[in-house]
Amino acid sequence: QVQLQESGPGLVKPSETLSLTCVVSDYSISNDYSWGWIRQPPGKGLEWIGSVYHSGSTYYNPSLKSRVTISVDRSKYQFSLKLTSVTAADTAVYYCARVRGYYGSGPPDYFDFWGQGTLVTVSS
Amino acid sequence: QSVLTQPPSVSAAPGQKVTISCSGSSANIENNYLSWYQQLPGTAPKLLIYDNNKRPSGIPDRFSGSKSGTSATLGITGLQTGDEADYYCGTWDSSLSAVVFGGGTKLTVL
Repeated sequence: QVQLQESGPGLVKPSETLSLTCVVSDYSISNDYSWGWIRQPPGKGLEWIGSVYHSGSTYYNPSLKSRVTISVDRSKYQFSLKLTSVTAADTAVYYCARVRGYYGSGPPDYFDFWGQGTLVTVSS
Repeated sequence: QSVLTQPPSVSAAPGQKVTISCSGSSANIENNYLSWYQQLPGTAPKLLIYDNNKRPSGIPDRFSGSKSGTSATLGITGLQTGDEADYYCGTWDSSLSAVVFGGGTKLTVL
């Protein structure tokens, strides 16, 4: 059973960079899946942020693309999210997930295993 | 405003059947696979249905998915109080080049 665990600061100041890491357990991060991030503002719905294949190829939400970087570190069995120039609108629970692509490194099809989520608040 | 449209809420009695709709367009639902997620209060979403109508291991056959044209439906039979949750549909949008989700539907089991 794949397990994912997010970690990172729970409070980030406006204009700074949000950085989160997701550690993957009981599954090789180099197998034929991608790894992604989804967020959920308090009381609202889900928003896809982006995903990364183990080769490093990425898909990003166009609405966030200019501020987002998702990378994978196969040696540490983890992948990471960086979101720059944050504002209060970026306050959300951030989930990491395993992603099945349409074909290997292709566009995301579905998210089959999720982390428990971590709340990140943007405030001074 | 979500790209995929779901009813904000549905309700039904225990033991009954309920359906949740998800409406989109040719850029998303009609030409791509659809998935459904269940989010119990205070927990992470859980995959219920993938590739329109397939159930992951461990998901009971009370849950079913179907798709026709630009719309999809999640069906739940034999409702239980433990099914009370938010349900989301999601798919790839080929025009936006992004994963899009519905706004979510809150299921109440009366």
